[in-house]
Amino acid sequence: QKEVEQDPGPLSVPEGAIVSLNCTYSNSAFQYFMWYRQYSRKGPELLMYTYSSGNKEDGRFTAQVDKSSKYISLFIRDSQPSDSATYLCAIGRTGFQKLVFGTGTRLLVSP
Amino acid sequence: DAGVTQSPTHLIKTRGQQVTLRCSPKSGHDTVSWYQQALGQGPQFIFQYYEEEERQRGNFPDRFSGHQFPNYSSELNVNALLLGDSALYLCASSLLPRSYGYTFGSGTRLTVV
Repeated sequence: QKEVEQDPGPLSVPEGAIVSLNCTYSNSAFQYFMWYRQYSRKGPELLMYTYSSGNKEDGRFTAQVDKSSKYISLFIRDSQPSDSATYLCAIGRTGFQKLVFGTGTRLLVSP
Repeated sequence: DAGVTQSPTHLIKTRGQQVTLRCSPKSGHDTVSWYQQALGQGPQFIFQYYEEEERQRGNFPDRFSGHQFPNYSSELNVNALLLGDSALYLCASSLLPRSYGYTFGSGTRLTVV
């Protein structure tokens, strides 16, 4: 079983739609949860960083963590064509330096 | 303020050869991590360097080695290249090993033929 599972997509939505991206993970020891955005031919860019359960909002982006279900989500409101990219979830745990990444979900927002 | 700088951007090597990739961390960062990203996959952790020492290693063979210099820059070396080593190699810097506030570079695209 993979440590983190993510639907690779692609996910196609019209401009202005609300987008929901999700990951599940297997080990309850993970405490740090991140979402990265990666444009083609670029490195990942940190979007959201949360510790433990709960919600975090930053502009049009909301990250949600449900540790009881081992489920993490990223919501994008009023999606824009410039949001078209691959979104990677990543998880980490205390005492371990590495991040474990999902495979990434490719998002396409059409005008 | 320069972010993470990686060189070269692209590289083509032949099976069996050796390659060295370079990384300069973001100003103020002292920890460098290396990740391998195969096409269509998420990045996989190779190792992390802090205070010029390898602090943790992922599931990669000894053919993958690294180094960190006193100015915090880092090199990734891969020996005896295999076709399966073809990937995007990403360098990420952070302040202190336990900080997950990584800044990634744009990567080095390695193609092994």
